[in-house]
Amino acid sequence: NAGVTQTPKFRILKIGQSMTLQCAQDMNHNYMYWYRQDPGMGLKLIYYSVGAGITDKGEVPNGYNVSRSTTEDFPLRLELAAPSQTSVYFCASRPGTGATNEKLFFGSGTQLSVL
Amino acid sequence: EDQVTQSPEALRLQEGESSSLNCSYTVSGLRGLFWYRQDPGKGPEFLFTLYSAGEEKEKERLKATLTKKESFLHITAPKPEDSATYLCAVQAGGIQGAQKLVFGQGTRLTINP
Repeated sequence: NAGVTQTPKFRILKIGQSMTLQCAQDMNHNYMYWYRQDPGMGLKLIYYSVGAGITDKGEVPNGYNVSRSTTEDFPLRLELAAPSQTSVYFCASRPGTGATNEKLFFGSGTQLSVL
Repeated sequence: EDQVTQSPEALRLQEGESSSLNCSYTVSGLRGLFWYRQDPGKGPEFLFTLYSAGEEKEKERLKATLTKKESFLHITAPKPEDSATYLCAVQAGGIQGAQKLVFGQGTRLTINP
């Protein structure tokens, strides 16, 4: 089972460049999330989606955009990369709400450096 | 604002030396408290969910407990393979809160052989 797949695993960007971090899940989960993790810090929520066509801002959305055209895919777009966006990015998904549906499944992460 | 604080930031133990990790939280109506394990270079992996004060859950050498203000992750007779960062997260109540988790900064645990 693939679970949550993130690409690329590593990327170096120059200031001002744009890129899209890809995330796909094959578990038919409704809820999908993007987090960033800085050294010594917890996971900060960037954006999330509760279903295709529905997205909402998390704690740190500035500088990012998302779309959710299918249940499977939830790409994260960086339009004008800045050094402050250097971080490790994690995509996660879960089935929905309810006691057995709230466990998050994480991808293996994308390490992004903006120089 | 929902907040989660974990302590200590880092903990180094000898193999077999039991200890506890702390997760203190403030949240508007706790819906659930989650523990995750994260190995270097990997995404977090689910361990436990706790829903109400007094609840306990166990898995191998790990036991998680919950009170109205904090949760503990007890590690009994740890082995080197238990070395990892342990993350605590809370899910608030309400329609908006139920949709997302707020994470603490984690405790980096090292077990020396």
